[in-house]
Amino acid sequence: AQSVTQLGSHVSVSEGALVLLRCNYSSSVPPYLFWYVQYPNQGLQLLLKYTTGATLVKGINGFEAEFKKSETSFHLTKPSAHMSDAAEYFCAVSGAGGYQKVTFGIGTKLQVIP
Amino acid sequence: DAGVIQSPRHEVTEMGQEVTLRCKPISGHNSLFWYRQTMMRGLELLIYFNNNVPIDDSGMPEDRFSAKMPNASFSTLKIQPSEPRDSAVYFCASNTKNTEAFFGQGTRLTVV
Repeated sequence: AQSVTQLGSHVSVSEGALVLLRCNYSSSVPPYLFWYVQYPNQGLQLLLKYTTGATLVKGINGFEAEFKKSETSFHLTKPSAHMSDAAEYFCAVSGAGGYQKVTFGIGTKLQVIP
Repeated sequence: DAGVIQSPRHEVTEMGQEVTLRCKPISGHNSLFWYRQTMMRGLELLIYFNNNVPIDDSGMPEDRFSAKMPNASFSTLKIQPSEPRDSAVYFCASNTKNTEAFFGQGTRLTVV
């Protein structure tokens, strides 16, 4: 079984401020972890993913996330928010190998204030 | 590759009518997922297929919903009869082992 919890359905930051979106997961097998972004009226687009190896993962648009097994977390960060980062962000988990079922969190809407 | 292709992009139908949503996954991907997105419930997994076989349909809300995958390049999600509460955006996604899910642009369904 696997699940994802995203803390905070809405997050507001000022332009230029740090972005921190929280994600905790549970999985009965070693997880693969993902962050997706969704812009209005669009599908979901992959930001970054963790499968194996280095626990700090860098993605597109300056985002990065760190896999912390001891904390079962995969928080998304960006040092300096840009207006174009305003979107909804989804954390997701799948089990390594086997069937590729992907389970998503509820999503976090990021607002960037000028 | 053109990515995951869904049709139609928008569908407006009257309550009680049958609705069929279509999806063409990325060539070579062997898993396909149908998700429903609403404001209230977020992104819900309805059903997923692996090698054209339904693996988990526990998310299908009612018997009014059915999904098929007759071959590796095509899947349908059917609602019969449709109800206003089925109004949502329906996404199809596909992947292969150890890769992320690639999403289509979605079908926005409105049942009036």
